[in-house]
Amino acid sequence: SQKIEQNSEALNIQEGKTATLTCNYTNYSPAYLQWYRQDPGRGPVFLLLIRENEKEKRKERLKVTFDTTLKQSLFHITASQPADSATYLCALENAGNMLTFGGGTRLMVKP
Amino acid sequence: DARVTQTPRHKVTEMGQEVTMRCQPILGHNTVFWYRQTMMQGLELLAYFRNRAPLDDSGMPKDRFSAEMPDATLATLKIQPSEPRDSAVYFCASGPSGGLSSYEQYFGPGTRLTVT
Repeated sequence: SQKIEQNSEALNIQEGKTATLTCNYTNYSPAYLQWYRQDPGRGPVFLLLIRENEKEKRKERLKVTFDTTLKQSLFHITASQPADSATYLCALENAGNMLTFGGGTRLMVKP
Repeated sequence: DARVTQTPRHKVTEMGQEVTMRCQPILGHNTVFWYRQTMMQGLELLAYFRNRAPLDDSGMPKDRFSAEMPDATLATLKIQPSEPRDSAVYFCASGPSGGLSSYEQYFGPGTRLTVT
């Protein structure tokens, strides 16, 4: 069956370090992969989108990689700040523009 | 600052009652999505509209849930009758394109539903 796995345990890092979050999937052939941020009590907010033929995408302190052979995406936040503390969701998209979300990973950046 | 709006933000109701949730997508967006989020299941897609036409509602329990878009500025999700297992946060999202290219989705603040 199709499965998207994100580390359900919270990731705790020190301010200034690079946070790396993992999204693994099985039995999918996604055309695109998206990352969203969700704060408590709010809806998800779009961060980055990467296509299956792209290896890497960057936006300011954010970087996403997409390895369709390993069936994995890595999401990096460099020079992390306490304000980056949130839950990060990866979502796989099929050709029909419908998203299937992973369970999310909670990131805590400590000052 | 264009945003997706949802009403009500919170709803507490008794089992068996009808619940209607409303969403106003961002003006100009032609795709609308309804999601449900729970701790156990995470964020699940319930329904998807493009140009007001339903494209997919395979994630929605058909016997009690219904989704419609009476016009381009309003999407509704109705539960009748509601059950305690429907307790969740319901999100509406809209997107700017229904073509082949991918696009980001803009989520509303959600409706927190509690069915007792």
